Amino acid sequence: DQQVKQNSPSLSVQEGRISILNCDYTNSMFDYFLWYKKYPAEGPTFLISISSIKDKNEDGRFTVFLNKSAKHLSLHIVPSQPGDSAVYFCAATRGNTGKLIFGQGTTLQVKP
Amino acid sequence: NAGVTQTPKFQVLKTGQSMTLQCAQDMNHNSMYWYRQDPGMGLRLIYYSASEGTTDKGEVPNGYNVSRLNKREFSLRLESAAPSQTSVYFCASSESRITEAFFGQGTRLTVV
Repeated sequence: DQQVKQNSPSLSVQEGRISILNCDYTNSMFDYFLWYKKYPAEGPTFLISISSIKDKNEDGRFTVFLNKSAKHLSLHIVPSQPGDSAVYFCAATRGNTGKLIFGQGTTLQVKP
Repeated sequence: NAGVTQTPKFQVLKTGQSMTLQCAQDMNHNSMYWYRQDPGMGLRLIYYSASEGTTDKGEVPNGYNVSRLNKREFSLRLESAAPSQTSVYFCASSESRITEAFFGQGTRLTVV
């Protein structure tokens, strides 16, 4: 039972354009959501997070949107840069368990 | 400025052999985690330790044991390796159970 799903395995965008990565979840008890970025042969690095009491969080070029009624979140990267090319994982957790449930990941390629 | 350090980086085991994956963090974090990453599956939590002296099972604990040796170190042991345990293993730590986790570079384990 995949509680967090990233249905697009890959995404390709042109440099300077917007990248939109999507994530759906099924467990309404999740109250904190995170995005991680992963380069090959490295561990994931934290990118941005959002609490379930908010619907938007922004950090520089990265914005995460949360639609609780649809159980959907998205990561917007504007403008996209070639260095953003990586695998992006969304993750969710509830309460103070610290247990992150990850999606399968989306590989983003930003073309120069 | 090491962060989370995992050893070894690569390992090949024969079925039935045992080994311990080591993890140490220098950020004085309370919580530590072990994840495995398999193709198309994202990262799945094996075990976690919310604080020194405590450990709890994650999503996929079968076939593994852990030890929280002290606040810095959290080891993962495979008592009798199986081919299904071929994976990339990531250790992570966080200040608390509700803050973002920092990951090590991973251990690529192959069981033949």
